[in-house]
Amino acid sequence: AQSVAQPEDQVNVAEGNPLTVKCTYSVSGNPYLFWYVQYPNRGLQFLLKYITGDNLVKGSYGFEAEFNKSQTSFHLKKPSALVSDSALYFCAVRDRGAGGGNKLTFGTGTQLKVEL
Amino acid sequence: AAGVIQSPRHLIKEKRETATLKCYPIPRHDTVYWYQQGPGQDPQFLISFYEKMQSDKGSIPDRFSAQQFSDYHSELNMSSLELGDSALYFCASSFSGRAYEQYFGPGTRLTVT
Repeated sequence: AQSVAQPEDQVNVAEGNPLTVKCTYSVSGNPYLFWYVQYPNRGLQFLLKYITGDNLVKGSYGFEAEFNKSQTSFHLKKPSALVSDSALYFCAVRDRGAGGGNKLTFGTGTQLKVEL
Repeated sequence: AAGVIQSPRHLIKEKRETATLKCYPIPRHDTVYWYQQGPGQDPQFLISFYEKMQSDKGSIPDRFSAQQFSDYHSELNMSSLELGDSALYFCASSFSGRAYEQYFGPGTRLTVT
């Protein structure tokens, strides 16, 4: 089965500073990787995906992620953090089920706190 | 743009009762997924449907059943509710041509007392 790991439960960063939220993956075959963000009592919002192509993927709200095959990582980044970026971030990987479906397997989530 | 609609948004039930959660996918999306997110947990895949047929099954209890209807909406039926079923239940939808892109609804928060 495919899996992703988020080694940090929480990341704190000052507003205006760059942020990185880490994710590593373990897959067989080519990985389909995703980042989602969840605000309190809200659903999961899609940020970006890596399917194939350029290793640097640009997504919504100024976020980007770097796919690194040799390090099996897919870290989420933003050059300048905003207080409004404070939320729970999930890394996810497409996992082919027995029926051929495209279920997502999520990491445990990283709480990002951006402070003034 | 239209998003995934889930109803109800909040539901309170007692132990041993039944609950039905509804999901209306984005127009033209033919695949629906259900996920369960317990308190402080990551979302866990329950079940999915493509063109009204079950496509995959995850860690869904036997007390739960689901189906997708001809208009592509889906319902998750939960019986003999237990306290441990209290969670946020997400529905997601995708279009088969880009099946790896799942768009999530706002979730239904189920509280079992």
